[in-house]
Amino acid sequence: AQTVTQSQPEMSVQEAETVTLSCTYDTSESDYYLFWYKQPPSRQMILVIRQEAYKQQNATENRFSVNFQKAAKSFSLKISDSQLGDAAMYFCAYRSVAGNQFYFGTGTSLTVIP
Amino acid sequence: DTGVSQNPRHKITKRGQNVTFRCDPISEHNRLYWYRQTLGQGPEFLTYFQNEAQLEKSRLLSDRFSAERPKGSFSTLEIQRTEQGDSAMYLCASSLRPGGGPSSYNEQFFGPGTRLTVL
Repeated sequence: AQTVTQSQPEMSVQEAETVTLSCTYDTSESDYYLFWYKQPPSRQMILVIRQEAYKQQNATENRFSVNFQKAAKSFSLKISDSQLGDAAMYFCAYRSVAGNQFYFGTGTSLTVIP
Repeated sequence: DTGVSQNPRHKITKRGQNVTFRCDPISEHNRLYWYRQTLGQGPEFLTYFQNEAQLEKSRLLSDRFSAERPKGSFSTLEIQRTEQGDSAMYLCASSLRPGGGPSSYNEQFFGPGTRLTVL
C-alpha cells in the first residue's frame, strides 16, 4: 500500500514570510496524483494544489507552489507571503490514477505569527 | 449552499448503541466517498460509491459498518454496536466521475464532517 509521510507535525511562520512544508511518499506506480489539502480549525477540508506525476513542471496556485521531485518521491509545499488565514492543518495526499483511494499523511499544523 | 453537507455535525452515544450519519453531496456529483479521521491523523478511506453502486471498501470497514446510497444521491453510514475506538470525525466527499483519459481527474469536495464520541 502507498504511504505518505509528513515529518513536521508543527510549523510556524511569520506573517508575510515564506514557509515550506515537507511530504514524502512511497509507491511503485509511475502515474499518480499528489495533493495538498488545507483543513482550518472546525472547517471543511479544501484543496490547495494538485500535481500530476507525469508533468515535470511544478504546479503553482497564486502564493502556493510545489517542489515535486519524482525520483526522490518528495512533494513539498511552499507558501509565499504567508497570511493569517493560512493557519490550518495541511495534509499531503496521494492517489493513483487507476484507483479511487486517497492516502493522506498525518498532517502539519501551520501557525502564522502576526 | 451548494457544498457537501453532513448531519449531524456532532453525535455522542453510549457504547453498544447504533448510530447513523447522513451525507448530501453536491447535486451533480456521481461519486461519493466516506473517510474516518482520528485525532492527530489524516483521513482514512472507508468506502466509495459511483451513483448507487458501492465500488470499493477498505478493510477498515468492519462488519459493524454499513454504507448505502440508495438513489445515487445522499448516502448514509451506519455503525452498529459502537465501540470507544469508533470515536472519530467521519468525513464525506463527492466528485464527478472524470470524463477524460486515464490522467483526468475531478476534485473531491469535502463536507464539514460528523464528530462521533462514544462514551
